[in-house]
Amino acid sequence: GESVGLHLPTLSVQEGDNSIINCAYSNSASDYFIWYKQESGKGPQFIIDIRSNMDKRQGQRVTVLLNKTVKHLSLQIAATQPGDSAVYFCAENAGGSYIPTFGRGTSLIVHP
Amino acid sequence: KAGVTQTPRYLIKTRGQQVTLSCSPISGHRSVSWYQQTPGQGLQFLFEYFSETQRNKGNFPGRFSGRQFSNSRSEMNVSTLELGDSALYLCASSWGDRGFNNEQFFGPGTRLTVL
Repeated sequence: GESVGLHLPTLSVQEGDNSIINCAYSNSASDYFIWYKQESGKGPQFIIDIRSNMDKRQGQRVTVLLNKTVKHLSLQIAATQPGDSAVYFCAENAGGSYIPTFGRGTSLIVHP
Repeated sequence: KAGVTQTPRYLIKTRGQQVTLSCSPISGHRSVSWYQQTPGQGLQFLFEYFSETQRNKGNFPGRFSGRQFSNSRSEMNVSTLELGDSALYLCASSWGDRGFNNEQFFGPGTRLTVL
C-alpha cells in the first residue's frame, strides 16, 4: 500500500485495549474539527466531528474530546480492533472559511 | 452508490511537463475539493468547487488550477511540473455547499511522481 507519511508518531496497542490519539491545533479561531482515518492505499475516511460549542461527542466506539483552553483534541477508540490499524489525523477550520488545516497524523497499530 | 473515482491512479511525469487529473464525485454531490498529500507537508487543501465555481483556494502557486463541469466532475491541472509536486492528489466530494464543513467522501487518490 501507499505510505501516507514518514516518521509519524506511532501508537501500538493490543486488540481490545482502548486507544487515545491526540492532536494539538494552533488556531484559536478554529470552530470545527474532524477526525479522519486513512488506511494504506486509500483516501481519508470521516470518523467523527465536533464543533467548538461542545466539549465531547460520542460515536460508535469513538469519542472526541475538545479542550479549547489548551487547543487540544483527542480521539478515543474503545475496544480497539485490528481493523482500526491506520493513520489517524485531525483537521480544523475556522469561522466558515471552509479551508481546512490538517494535523500530521498518528499511526495506530493494533496487535491481535 | 459508487464512491468517488479518480483517474489515473498512478502517473509518472518529468519536470517541466503538465498533467491533468480527473475526479468523478459521488452521484448527486455538487462540491468537489482537491488536496495534496506528501510525507513532508501532510495533507494540504488545494481548492474547492461548487456548481462549476471555484469558491476557495489554498496556498499553492498558480501552476495549480482546476475546473468543474456541469455534471460536477472535476479536473485539476498542474503545469510546469517540479520535483516537489510529487504527491498523492486526493479528491473529495460532498452534497452540501459548505465544502469541508459538510461530510466529505474521499477518492483513493492519484499518485503523481515527477522525475
